[in-house]
Amino acid sequence: SYELTQPPSVSVSPGQTATITCSGDSLSTRYTYWYQQKSGQAPVLVIYEDDKRPSGIPDRFSGSISGATATLTISGAQVEDEADYYCYSRDRSGNRPFGGGTKLSVL
Amino acid sequence: EVQLVESGGDLVQPGRSLRLSCVVSGFTFEDFAMHWVRQPPGKGLEWVSGITWNSASKGYADSVKGRFTVSRDNAKKSLYLEMNSLKEEDTALYYCAKDGKPTATFYYMDIWGKGTTVIVSS
Repeated sequence: SYELTQPPSVSVSPGQTATITCSGDSLSTRYTYWYQQKSGQAPVLVIYEDDKRPSGIPDRFSGSISGATATLTISGAQVEDEADYYCYSRDRSGNRPFGGGTKLSVL
Repeated sequence: EVQLVESGGDLVQPGRSLRLSCVVSGFTFEDFAMHWVRQPPGKGLEWVSGITWNSASKGYADSVKGRFTVSRDNAKKSLYLEMNSLKEEDTALYYCAKDGKPTATFYYMDIWGKGTTVIVSS
């Protein structure tokens, strides 16, 4: 089955740049989406179609793609950005996996 | 304001059935595909199923194929998930989510409900 691979955890100090990667064979030909999930809450879409930001999402959140690796960047991370982040995509067979999730600590 | 409210979660024994519902408001339901996504306790997200706006196409994760059935009633602005032959590994918080693209296949989720809890245990 198709898998997306994320680092289990990333830690930064407030104001630093946080980078979360997501790798998968089909990412070079399929869009990547990123979700933020704070403790006890439903996921929130923060990046869609590789690099687009939904309305209401702060511009410190950005997405990029290079080959088979997608990257979520949080420039000037804030304490309130502490959350689990999941990437999501589709493969050629129609499978729709999420990455395993990355726990972002901002402290 | 877009709202999705799930219901129907319960404690059930392995092998039994359960039907989840999701009622939506704040957007034109019949214009969008819909999804079910689940999250086992303490674990990550798993896409479960999707359905196009007109129910013409449905998709399922391999883990639930043949046991779960997704459906919708556009007049009632409601999405459903019929779950049969439940297993302990189906225990999870089940989210209903709206697709991000109007009148398309089920691409991605842009708005999520708060979820309903299913526990499968003897």
